[in-house]
Amino acid sequence: NAGVTQTPKFRVLKTGQSMTLLCAQDMNHEYMYWYRQDPGMGLRLIHYSVGEGTTAKGEVPDGYNVSRLKKQNFLLGLESAAPSQTSVYFCASVRRVGEQFFGPGTRLTVL
Amino acid sequence: AQSVTQLGSHVSVSEGALVLLRCNYSSSVPPYLFWYVQYPNQGLQLLLKYTSAATLVKGINGFEAEFKKSETSFHLTKPSAHMSDAAEYFCAVIWRDSGGYQKVTFGTGTKLQVIP
Repeated sequence: NAGVTQTPKFRVLKTGQSMTLLCAQDMNHEYMYWYRQDPGMGLRLIHYSVGEGTTAKGEVPDGYNVSRLKKQNFLLGLESAAPSQTSVYFCASVRRVGEQFFGPGTRLTVL
Repeated sequence: AQSVTQLGSHVSVSEGALVLLRCNYSSSVPPYLFWYVQYPNQGLQLLLKYTSAATLVKGINGFEAEFKKSETSFHLTKPSAHMSDAAEYFCAVIWRDSGGYQKVTFGTGTKLQVIP
């Protein structure tokens, strides 16, 4: 039982490049979330999903897209990376109402 | 949307001293409240949660928090700080948006420094 895993752990991009972050959970959770963490700002919700095939915008969705084709996976895409997207990205999953289980994070730097 | 306010982005305590990290929430309905801890270069881990049962909630590593509705507070305490408690702590509230979907709002975090 691996919990929540994230791939990759680190990435450096140049402005304008694209990439996809993968989040996988093996707990059969319905809800999955993508957050970004920046110093002094806590965690801010980018997008979330309440089940397979469904996604919705969070607090800071601009510049990101997501997909949830399989229940266990939640992908976060950056179509054209910008320096403002330099951050640490966390994925989390949760049952109906309860604690969120977090992945270890992806540290992204956009030059 | 609900909000969470954590007073003090940095708190320093001596080893063995009382730890008090403050959290106030805004919620028009009984909330679900959580405290998470984040160690350097790691994800967040659950410390404790309040889900409308007992108002005094005990968590891992000797931490506890008391839900006070009249003060809309959920402060985190530990009687005696250990060096291993040095980390960043986040208060969070669960709420439902207009579509009925569960959302979580996190506070901005409090970094705890423990001085030997």
